[in-house]
Amino acid sequence: AQSVTQLGSHVSVSEGALVLLRCNYSSSVPPYLFWYVQYPNQGLQLLLKYTTGATLVKGINGFEAEFKKSETSFHLTKPSAHMSDAAEYFCAVSGSMNTGFQKLVFGTGTRLLVSP
Amino acid sequence: EAEVAQSPRYKITEKSQAVAFWCDPISGHATLYWYRQILGQGPELLVQFQDESVVDDSQLPKDRFSAERLKGVDSTLKIQPAELGDSAMYLCASSLRENTEAFFGQGTRLTVV
Repeated sequence: AQSVTQLGSHVSVSEGALVLLRCNYSSSVPPYLFWYVQYPNQGLQLLLKYTTGATLVKGINGFEAEFKKSETSFHLTKPSAHMSDAAEYFCAVSGSMNTGFQKLVFGTGTRLLVSP
Repeated sequence: EAEVAQSPRYKITEKSQAVAFWCDPISGHATLYWYRQILGQGPELLVQFQDESVVDDSQLPKDRFSAERLKGVDSTLKIQPAELGDSAMYLCASSLRENTEAFFGQGTRLTVV
């Protein structure tokens, strides 16, 4: 079974500061990992994904995440926060291509607040 | 750019009434998902289709919820009767196949009064 834990329901940063959103996963099979962003009353938009290959993945809007199997982590970072980054961020896990059906399971989300 | 279409965007209904949501996935996407998102929480999978077949509906309250994807393309999620606790955002998503990235629609915000 898959599960995701996002540490911190709220993270506050100043504009221009480093953004770090934490995600730890549990998976009985090799995982695929995703970060999504959600703005109020909108659907979820994919930021980035890890499937295979390079463990440091780059996404849209300057975000990146590193898959660390030994730590079962997939933390999201951005060097310099912008006001427009304020949103809800969700980490998600599914199975990988050859693991058969696995649910796409989401964490509870982290709200990023950016102050001027 | 191809998108997942959902309608309606907003729905207010009285408890005990029936309500239905529609989703049109991205063309060619075999996998379709319905998620429920309660305010302040992450999305919870209600049902997942592979083409027209249900592959997971373990969290779907089957006494009142039903979902279908008759021709393996668009899908309808129905609630009958609606309860106050059903107030939530209902999100539809699709992916090319299972275990690939899911693309989400704008969602339907349901309020049951």
